Amino acid sequence: DAGITQSPRHKVTETGTPVTLRCHQTENHRYMYWYRQDPGHGLRLIHYSYGVKDTDKGEVSDGYSVSRSKTEDFLLTLESATSSQTSVYFCAIRGQETSYGYTFGSGTRLTVV
Amino acid sequence: DQQVKQNSPSLSVQEGRISILNCDYTNSMFDYFLWYKKYPAEGPTFLISISSIKDKNEDGRFTVFLNKSAKHLSLHIVPSQPGDSAVYFCAASGTSGTYKYIFGTGTRLKVLA
Repeated sequence: DAGITQSPRHKVTETGTPVTLRCHQTENHRYMYWYRQDPGHGLRLIHYSYGVKDTDKGEVSDGYSVSRSKTEDFLLTLESATSSQTSVYFCAIRGQETSYGYTFGSGTRLTVV
Repeated sequence: DQQVKQNSPSLSVQEGRISILNCDYTNSMFDYFLWYKKYPAEGPTFLISISSIKDKNEDGRFTVFLNKSAKHLSLHIVPSQPGDSAVYFCAASGTSGTYKYIFGTGTRLKVLA
């Protein structure tokens, strides 16, 4: 296994509640990413991190925040969940070898009701 | 605007034949391209990559071709096997240093036995 785990795997939450998804890696990789996958949109980048406490926005960052207080953990927070944030969320890590791109986690299926 | 496009949402191929999946991009600054395969309820897994200094890269049954002038890449699978049935994503990145990959919307390949 690539050493990346996401938790929880499934979550149902109510509109307006805060939700935090966790990505944990054991590879000591510098770069970590959060994507969401939706039908007709493929994978879209939400936020990414290029080091501890170094994060930046992706193409669909509105309504999301992230934190990275240590190399191994990258947290994605939905401040106030909305139904449009129902999606499958993937975390990815990247080492220095460009040819291998990302290694993805198994995903978190989030349903906002 | 979609910078990476996969215009065929689905493709069906007979077992043993060639599968050709296509991808177009608009940003001439992209210089590294990847293909990922995704099975249901799993994270995407890396398949093959190509950099802009090459026009072909081969790995077993998988070959990726890059036509920079046309801003087009394709993935050839020969021979196709039922286990190849999955969603395939192409992705592109520039040399920004943060290695943010932009993904296409995916093509669902079905290999018929």
